Amino acid sequence: DAGVIQSPRHEVTEMGQEVTLRCKPISGHDYLFWYRQTMMRGLELLIYFNNNVPIDDSGMPEDRFSAKMPNASFSTLKIQPSEPRDSAVYFCASSRTGGSGNTIYFGEGSWLTVV
Amino acid sequence: AQKITQTQPGMFVQEKEAVTLDCTYDTSDPSYGLFWYKQPSSGEMIFLIYQGSYDQQNATEGRYSLNFQKARKSANLVISASQLGDSAMYFCAMRGSPDSGYALNFGKGTSLLVTP
Repeated sequence: DAGVIQSPRHEVTEMGQEVTLRCKPISGHDYLFWYRQTMMRGLELLIYFNNNVPIDDSGMPEDRFSAKMPNASFSTLKIQPSEPRDSAVYFCASSRTGGSGNTIYFGEGSWLTVV
Repeated sequence: AQKITQTQPGMFVQEKEAVTLDCTYDTSDPSYGLFWYKQPSSGEMIFLIYQGSYDQQNATEGRYSLNFQKARKSANLVISASQLGDSAMYFCAMRGSPDSGYALNFGKGTSLLVTP
């Protein structure tokens, strides 16, 4: 089975530009997570969805960040306008159900550099 | 709130030796899951092993085993017969009950270097 698929793998953009990161979760998974990884802050949860509905977006740093999940097989994380401090690796992850025992599988990450 | 602590920023081990990576946790949830992930230099997060809070036996997956001591709130990862390809960052994580949300909370990671 295909894993979590993210695009783009790498993006370099100028400050002020809009950035859209895309994710296709594993088929049949109904939980989707967006994480951000930086050296300073480690892995942080930004937002997660259950059955396409955002459940907890308290980790979204500010209004410049938004996430959508229009259907079970697609999600986007958008940053507008982007700033250099947004440079990080953004991971999308999914799991089959909730519950403490269900494994969360990660995509390969989108490496974002804002110059 | 859940908290994961990995106290070893970096570890060295010689090839073919065993190594233990430490992880302690704190939670008020009665039911939780503990996970270890490997992140090689290429960046992807690879699931290694899972231990449920009610599991009586320690989890094992090939060369990976989890030394789960519930009373001490520790979930150490043991890698036996280390290989050069095991060099990577290793993250301990917890997934809690519905009241805490189902997302993973991660420790800061341990960087493992396997030497020839």
